[in-house]
Amino acid sequence: GAGVSQSPSNKVTEKGKDVELRCDPISGHTALYWYRQSLGQGLEFLIYFQGNSAPDKSGLPSDRFSAERTGGSVSTLTIQRTQQEDSAVYLCASSLQGSNQPQHFGDGTRLSIL
Amino acid sequence: DQQVKQNSPSLSVQEGRISILNCDYTNSMFDYFLWYKKYPAEGPTFLISISSIKDKNEDRRFTVFLNKSAKHLSLHIVPSQPGDSAVYFCAASANGQNFVFGPGTRLSVLP
Repeated sequence: GAGVSQSPSNKVTEKGKDVELRCDPISGHTALYWYRQSLGQGLEFLIYFQGNSAPDKSGLPSDRFSAERTGGSVSTLTIQRTQQEDSAVYLCASSLQGSNQPQHFGDGTRLSIL
Repeated sequence: DQQVKQNSPSLSVQEGRISILNCDYTNSMFDYFLWYKKYPAEGPTFLISISSIKDKNEDRRFTVFLNKSAKHLSLHIVPSQPGDSAVYFCAASANGQNFVFGPGTRLSVLP
């Protein structure tokens, strides 16, 4: 498919473990976003990559969260020493370069911390 | 402090009638607004957008109205169909790249 792909679709892990979530954006999309949606809540912005510019990390909730984007394409979101409050759906979106471009979302990774 | 608010967590409408979803914002620098629809276990999908230079944008059954002075926008769906049942998110941007999302409104269209 040509859409945004996220893996895994579901992840269950024990508190204290590290997790890595992967996002494959749409080919040619230079902008990539990570969001988090906790149960019953809206989308919470985490981090934004645009081309080769320094990422906007202003939404990361703590230093346990980090993300990288290799080669301007695939991105991984890493959560270290997971806590139960990290349980949420993590959504990735990509868009074309430029202003006012609609974001195309993946189906998310549902993360459950036991 | 929520910059984008959707004060109705849920809305029920009869099939064939109009659905009106509301969104309010506080940041006067926002100049671009979007609506997304989300089904369970799927990512949000883009529906329609509007720039602050306009007060209305229409696409098939969907119309978005923007009232800049009131910092309010609304999405009208007419006629509503059962397949429109989903969570609708309003989003706003001041720079066209960073977007702030509202908490969503769950629309149920009853047959």
